[in-house]
Amino acid sequence: DVKVTQSSRYLVKRTGEKVFLECVQDMDHENMFWYRQDPGLGLRLIYFSYDVKMKEKGDIPEGYSVSREKKERFSLILESASTNQTSMYLCASSSAGLGPHYSYNEQFFGPGTRLTVL
Amino acid sequence: GNSVTQMEGPVTLSEEAFLTINCTYTATGYPSLFWYVQYPGEGLQLLLKATKADDKGSNKGFEATYRKETTSFHLEKGSVQVSDSAVYFCALSSGKYGNKLVFGAGTILRVKS
Repeated sequence: DVKVTQSSRYLVKRTGEKVFLECVQDMDHENMFWYRQDPGLGLRLIYFSYDVKMKEKGDIPEGYSVSREKKERFSLILESASTNQTSMYLCASSSAGLGPHYSYNEQFFGPGTRLTVL
Repeated sequence: GNSVTQMEGPVTLSEEAFLTINCTYTATGYPSLFWYVQYPGEGLQLLLKATKADDKGSNKGFEATYRKETTSFHLEKGSVQVSDSAVYFCALSSGKYGNKLVFGAGTILRVKS
């Protein structure tokens, strides 16, 4: 059974703290993603990684950084948490499939981390 | 840029009612289209997909047809169940290699017994 796991389901942090959200997948997928989910806005892509140590900014990267030292693990870092980063954070992974020009690769999602910044 | 617009919810239906959730998109090129579902307390999971115009995706009694002429991908089900209560997201493939997704805002579906 394929699996994407996230380190915490619920997290409460203080403004200014450094926060680490961890994601691990067991499917040997090349691609990994971090999204935030907010009511009325759907999912918005924060960062994307297509290989170890490779990353690409998504639509809302400000205030976030990422790390991918191993293929199975993708970390999202909030350098100095702020109240407007209170949200649900979802990690996903997908295969590179048949190659870079293959236009469809299903993304598999973790259960999410609900982060509250006070 | 690419974008997805979904009908606003929540949508509240009685069991066995017919369901339609509208989805329209704006995109360059020929994206693939998807419906994902999020059950309470869980992450998203793929419900169905269509990769080219006139394709019909189907799964668990849900269907959606890729309509290029109306840039739409409406989700339908003939008879909903209480267990279908969830949030439904329409999405399209994006990015240089099509391996990113652009999501709509999501539509909450509530089915009453």
